[in-house]
Amino acid sequence: GAVVSQHPSRVICKSGTSVKIECRSLDFQATTMFWYRQFPKKSLMLMATSNEGSKATYEQGVEKDKFLINHASLTLSTLTVTSAHPEDSSFYICSGRVFPETQYFGPGTRLLVL
Amino acid sequence: DAKTTQPPSMDCAEGRAANLPCNHSTISGNEYVYWYRQIHSQGPQYIIHGLKNNETNEMASLIITEDRKSSTLILPHATLRDTAVYYCIVSGAQKLVFGQGTRLTINP
Repeated sequence: GAVVSQHPSRVICKSGTSVKIECRSLDFQATTMFWYRQFPKKSLMLMATSNEGSKATYEQGVEKDKFLINHASLTLSTLTVTSAHPEDSSFYICSGRVFPETQYFGPGTRLLVL
Repeated sequence: DAKTTQPPSMDCAEGRAANLPCNHSTISGNEYVYWYRQIHSQGPQYIIHGLKNNETNEMASLIITEDRKSSTLILPHATLRDTAVYYCIVSGAQKLVFGQGTRLTINP
């Protein structure tokens, strides 16, 4: 299957700082990438859909100014958590869509905000 | 996207076939059935997907009923490494909406 990487795999930051998470499709071009978050013992929750060269589409209840998404190329999407607070601590996972209909997921980034 | 119903947990003996059911009675004609699994603290892993016909790959088989209202994922010879949460997702649009899945435990 297609390979998606994420960097960093885990990050600890202080409250009020911003954190950038990178998602790369290593062996395919992803015109569409998705960002999810997952709390402990819960299922994945879709945050936003990212299309290359255009603005991301956010799910209801997700603050677009809080979670900045950039999809500047067909192999890279970034999620920036701005002014992070402890409640933003979570497992963030991205995926890339392989034409026509299959998504492959990254390994996830564990964010801890102190 | 159509909603799916899965049992919250299942157990299976190592070496036996694991059969995971999924109900999706409101599935539309253009919606696929996807199966992913998530091992603790990792991203979901794609297993298989299908539209109408049964599908098989190196990981599993997917059996879809003729009316498409339910499906079964079959892991033919379960190993301890198959212990994970298995998600059945129905989607015709781009995005995948995850339910609670089935926590499959393979016992030695």
